[in-house]
Amino acid sequence: AQSVTQLDSQVPVFEEAPVELRCNYSSSVSVYLFWYVQYPNQGLQLLLKYLSGSTLVKGINGFEAEFNKSQTSFHLRKPSVHISDTAEYFCAVSRGDYNTDKLIFGTGTRLQVFP
Amino acid sequence: KAGVTQTPRYLIKTRGQQVTLSCSPISGHRSVSWYQQTPGQGLQFLFEYFSETQRNKGNFPGRFSGRQFSNSRSEMNVSTLELGDSALYLCASWDRGTFEQFFGPGTRLTVL
Repeated sequence: AQSVTQLDSQVPVFEEAPVELRCNYSSSVSVYLFWYVQYPNQGLQLLLKYLSGSTLVKGINGFEAEFNKSQTSFHLRKPSVHISDTAEYFCAVSRGDYNTDKLIFGTGTRLQVFP
Repeated sequence: KAGVTQTPRYLIKTRGQQVTLSCSPISGHRSVSWYQQTPGQGLQFLFEYFSETQRNKGNFPGRFSGRQFSNSRSEMNVSTLELGDSALYLCASWDRGTFEQFFGPGTRLTVL
């Protein structure tokens, strides 16, 4: 079975500052890793994913994440945040094969960007 | 392509009633997953359907059920509603080529 831990429930940051949202996972098999963003009263939108290959993954809206197998981490970063990045961010893991069938989500990190 | 659509967007029911939620996946996607989102439990997997077959089910009581039709549209049903069933129910449509799940806007169910 897989599990995900998001270490920070809330991250306050000023506009144009860098941010890192932390995610650690646990699994006995290979995994696929994802970051999703949720704006108020909306569904989830995929920011980026890691399936295999390069451990540095670039996504939409200037976000990137690095897969670190030895640390079992998949932290999300952005060098300069905007007010519009204020949202809830979810890290998710799934079994890393073709028959993967569900996402296991972390508890979420609320990013609050202040002017 | 149109995104994932869910109907209705909002629903208010009373305890003991039953409810049916609908999800239309992205055209061409044959896998549909359902998730429940609550402030206390977060996002939890309910079940996944592929080609009209339930492939996996999460740890929810039998009051939660679902089905998928030949056009890949899916419904989930909750019978004998409890206050704790109040949640945002999200449907996701799988692209099995890229392993991405595309989420709908959700149905917010309130049980009074």
